[in-house]
Formats: sequence, C-alpha cells, structure tokens
Amino acid sequence: DSGVTQTPKHLITATGQRVTLRCSPRSGDLSVYWYQQSLDQGLQFLIQYYNGEERAKGNILERFSAQQFPDLHSELNLSSLELGDSALYFCASSPTGDRSPLHFGNGTRLTVT
Amino acid sequence: AQSVSQHNHHVILSEAASLELGCNYSYGGTVNLFWYVQYPGQHLQLLLKYFSGDPLVKGIKGFEAEFIKSKFSFNLRKPSVQWSDTAEYFCAVRDFGNEKLTFGTGTRLTIIP
Repeated sequence: DSGVTQTPKHLITATGQRVTLRCSPRSGDLSVYWYQQSLDQGLQFLIQYYNGEERAKGNILERFSAQQFPDLHSELNLSSLELGDSALYFCASSPTGDRSPLHFGNGTRLTVT
Repeated sequence: AQSVSQHNHHVILSEAASLELGCNYSYGGTVNLFWYVQYPGQHLQLLLKYFSGDPLVKGIKGFEAEFIKSKFSFNLRKPSVQWSDTAEYFCAVRDFGNEKLTFGTGTRLTIIP
C-alpha cells in the first residue's frame, strides 16, 4: 500500500458528462500529481499541485481542471467527456522537491460510453 | 522538453533468463532517474532510483540499473528473472530543479514458467 488513496476505483459515464476524481496524498506529502494512462499515449503528466498552489502543468485539456484543498487532498474534474478520455487516471504524491520519488495511488479507471 | 524512450515494447523471457530493459532520455543536464514497476491491476511501485554517486544502483527484488551519462541511458537489469516479475516497467526522468516526472511508454515483460 503506497498510502495514496484514490476514489472511485471505477467510473462509467456517458459522453458529455462531468466527473470528479479524488485523491488523498500520503500523510505529510505536500505535492500531488495527476497522470493519465492510456494504451496509446502511455503515462501522460497532467498537472501538479504543491501545498494548494498549481506548480506545473502538462498535457491537460482545457476541459479538465484540478485543485488541491487546504487538507491537501486533490480533485481532478473532467467535463464534456469524450470517448477518448477513457483511461486510467493516477494520482501520485511526494513530500516536496526534486529528490523525492513519487508514490502512486491505485488509479481511477474511467470509461466513457 | 525532456523525453524518455523505452525501445522494447514487449519482452518475453523464460524463467531464469537474464533481463535488460533499455531506457534513454533526451535532455543532457543533471537528472534524477527512476524505474517503476506496475503489476497487473496494481499501482506503480518504485523499483529503484538514481540521484548521484555510484552509477550502478540496486533496487528491490534483485533489480539493478546502470546510469551511463555519455549515452543518456539508464538500463534496468536482473540476472535471473522469475515468473512473478511479469509486469510493466516504466523508466522515468526528472530534470534537476523540476518536480515533474517524465515517463517512458513502458515495457511489458512476460515471463514464461
């Protein structure tokens, strides 16, 4: 168990809908990262938050947004869903800085029908 | 931007065979290097990491990796694989001063009993 908790484990929804994925980082970790894993794109970095502030942005679509709350949990909001958004969404956390490995949650599998 | 190449997409080996998985990155500055493993249906777990010092690093489960700066490579090795090593293996690179991890596309390893 990595200590990173993601909910829900599975999500099935229709095109055009909006969903929220939730992540609780390991105790003491200030940084939260979101990654999307799909068969054709591999692991793509979406966005990183550090202590409530956006720290880095990757290949995140405008339809997607995220935030990190004062208790350090994070939510990834996906809206106007398309079939191509079906993927595994991983959250990871680290204490801080560039010498810390990331610890990953079990992921949320999103299926858009 | 940093990119990571894992040229072996799928490797099939018999038990007790030796393993070497390739990883090359593009940016030649100071980097931190990681190998992660993802067992079927599970989250990514850290196998080993390199920050500085001895370029030959040892990780969990008998894995090791060698950092060759001149070749921008960080290949993963194991002298004798087991059936339980069947998994997907990801190389990841972090540029010094940057908290974002860039992942390779992964190598699927199948061990035949």
